[in-house]
Amino acid sequence: GQQVMQIPQYQHVQEGEDFTTYCNSSTTLSNIQWYKQRPGGHPVFLIQLVKSGEVKKQKRLTFQFGEAKKNSSLHITATQTTDVGTYFCAGDNDYKLSFGAGTTVTVRA
Amino acid sequence: AAGVIQSPRHLIKEKRETATLKCYPIPRHDTVYWYQQGPGQDPQFLISFYEKMQSDKGSIPDRFSAQQFSDYHSELNMSSLELGDSALYFCASSDPRGRNTGELFFGEGSRLTVL
Repeated sequence: GQQVMQIPQYQHVQEGEDFTTYCNSSTTLSNIQWYKQRPGGHPVFLIQLVKSGEVKKQKRLTFQFGEAKKNSSLHITATQTTDVGTYFCAGDNDYKLSFGAGTTVTVRA
Repeated sequence: AAGVIQSPRHLIKEKRETATLKCYPIPRHDTVYWYQQGPGQDPQFLISFYEKMQSDKGSIPDRFSAQQFSDYHSELNMSSLELGDSALYFCASSDPRGRNTGELFFGEGSRLTVL
């Protein structure tokens, strides 16, 4: 079945630094979604990427979808304490949304 | 704006008991998903419904069952509860477009503790 791998599992970042989390699927995806879950909260939709090679930006967040539609990345610049949480990618293939394990981000002030 | 409503928010049960979780999707969303999230883990897909019919099945145990009713709300029934069933159960709804699942709107979750 479809599997979505996400690395790293944990990311400890100094405030102001950049980091990237990566997502890889074993199968070609129709689209990929990214969610953020704050501690004690529920996953909140960030973005959906549909097109091969698509790049989307949301302020300090840059999302990319690979040319083969099997991998994706989320890059955050100038990390802030508000970026704390777990970032999940979720691969969509024919209405089957599979979540990656998530990258849990902590920020050192 | 209306969000996904889940109840109860917290539930404590003993082993071998039964539990029922309820989910009220966002109005006009015809698809409901159930996810189970253990501590420090990613949400694991259990089951989904589209237009009151089961559309996909994930890692839902045979002891669990679910359905979607005519008003689109859904219930997850869990029987013969085990300690390992302790988790946060999320319901999410979406309005699928084309071949894409569409954005999932998650409820705040129901935390089940089995003692």
